[in-house]
Amino acid sequence: GAVVSQHPSWVICKSGTSVKIECRSLDFQATTMFWYRQFPKQSLMLMATSNEGSKATYEQGVEKDKFLINHASLTLSTLTVTSAHPEDSSFYICSARDRVNEQYFGPGTRLTVT
Amino acid sequence: AQSVSQHNHHVILSEAASLELGCNYSYGGTVNLFWYVQYPGQHLQLLLKYFSGDPLVKGIKGFEAEFIKSKFSFNLRKPSVQWSDTAEYFCAVQKDSSYKLIFGSGTRLLVRP
Repeated sequence: GAVVSQHPSWVICKSGTSVKIECRSLDFQATTMFWYRQFPKQSLMLMATSNEGSKATYEQGVEKDKFLINHASLTLSTLTVTSAHPEDSSFYICSARDRVNEQYFGPGTRLTVT
Repeated sequence: AQSVSQHNHHVILSEAASLELGCNYSYGGTVNLFWYVQYPGQHLQLLLKYFSGDPLVKGIKGFEAEFIKSKFSFNLRKPSVQWSDTAEYFCAVQKDSSYKLIFGSGTRLLVRP
C-alpha cells in the first residue's frame, strides 16, 4: 500500500523554540493532507486540513499562528510548532489522501517540549 | 454535539472468542465510515470502510462491520480473535466533501493467548 513518512519521529525542544515536522507521501500524490494531534491514551484530534498550493483550513480552537502549515508540493506538507510550550508536547500524526479518497497515515512524531 | 462514540474503552478476550466493538455517530445525512487499527508501535492502518451499497462490509484480517443507518451504528466484528489482534481500534466518520475524518475515542483490545 501507499506509504506516508514523517520526520523526525521524535524531537525534544526547549520552551520558546520552533519545531518543524515534515509529512511526505512517498509513492503517490496527495492533494490533501491532514494533521492530527493525539494525547496519551486518547483519540486523534484533527488540527487542520492542508491543501496543496493553498492556505490550510484549521479546526475550531487550533491557533493558526502557532501551528503553521505549508503544503508546498503534492508530496510534502510541513507543520511548524512556533514558540513551543510544554503543553504542546504531544504525538502529531499526518495523513495523506489519495485520488480515491483513501487516507494513509504517517507513523507520527513525538514532540517533547522542556 | 456531533460526535463519534466508541463505548468500549478496553476489551479483554481470550483467543478464539468473538469480538464486537461498538461505534455510533451523531451526524445526519450521508456519511462514509471507517475502522482503523493501530498495532503497538505502528501507524494507523485501514481495516475496512463503508461508502455505500451492501451495509455489511468485509475488511482485512477477517474483520467485518455492519452499517445500520437507523441506529447510526457501524459495529466492528470478528468471529474468532487471535493474539495478534491485540491493538487499538478506531472508528471514524467522514461527513462531507471536505474528506475530514472524525475519530472515536478508540478501543484497546487485549487478546490473551
